[in-house]
Amino acid sequence: AQTVTQSQPEMSVQEAETVTLSCTYDTSESNYYLFWYKQPPSRQMILVIRQEAYKQQNATENRFSVNFQKAAKSFSLKISDSQLGDTAMYFCALFQGAQKLVFGQGTRLTINP
Amino acid sequence: SQTIHQWPATLVQPVGSPLSLECTVEGTSNPNLYWYRQAAGRGLQLLFYSVGIGQISSEVPQNLSASRPQDRQFILSSKKLLLSDSGFYLCAWGSTAYEQYFGPGTRLTVT
Repeated sequence: AQTVTQSQPEMSVQEAETVTLSCTYDTSESNYYLFWYKQPPSRQMILVIRQEAYKQQNATENRFSVNFQKAAKSFSLKISDSQLGDTAMYFCALFQGAQKLVFGQGTRLTINP
Repeated sequence: SQTIHQWPATLVQPVGSPLSLECTVEGTSNPNLYWYRQAAGRGLQLLFYSVGIGQISSEVPQNLSASRPQDRQFILSSKKLLLSDSGFYLCAWGSTAYEQYFGPGTRLTVT
């Protein structure tokens, strides 16, 4: 069964710093997708970034980038120049078919002024 | 552009009462639709998904059911709520199976 693990329940950094959130996953498939979602205090889930497993190049979206290590089954999110608005819960998710996204337990990120 | 709506935003219901949560999507046709539940401080758990009108797949056997009476409408129901049904319910849509976009959610408290 596929699983997603986020080992950092909480993190806190100062504004403008860079922060990296960790995620590991387990799947027997060779073709799958990985995602990072952000859930701010409003609780709406917002898609931050997506990575296709068949692509070797790491995905980037503005200040957000990932480090995808397929052999190690690791998928970390780096937030550069962090802003107060980045304060949120961050969820790593795995999709490998059958309409099902499997989510990790989340990391609560706080950006301090 | 596509938008997704959920209502109500907040609901407090007594144990044993019925439930109906509604989700509608605008700006797209024949979307995949999903219902998730999020317990306090936890990740999301997929409850139901639908790839078309009248087509419902259940992921977790429980006290809840789902229906899709129209192409862009997805309803989550229960005949008798349990305390354990409390949580945050999120509807999502996707034009592809692997990319899902979420609605604002409904906070349900069963008392």
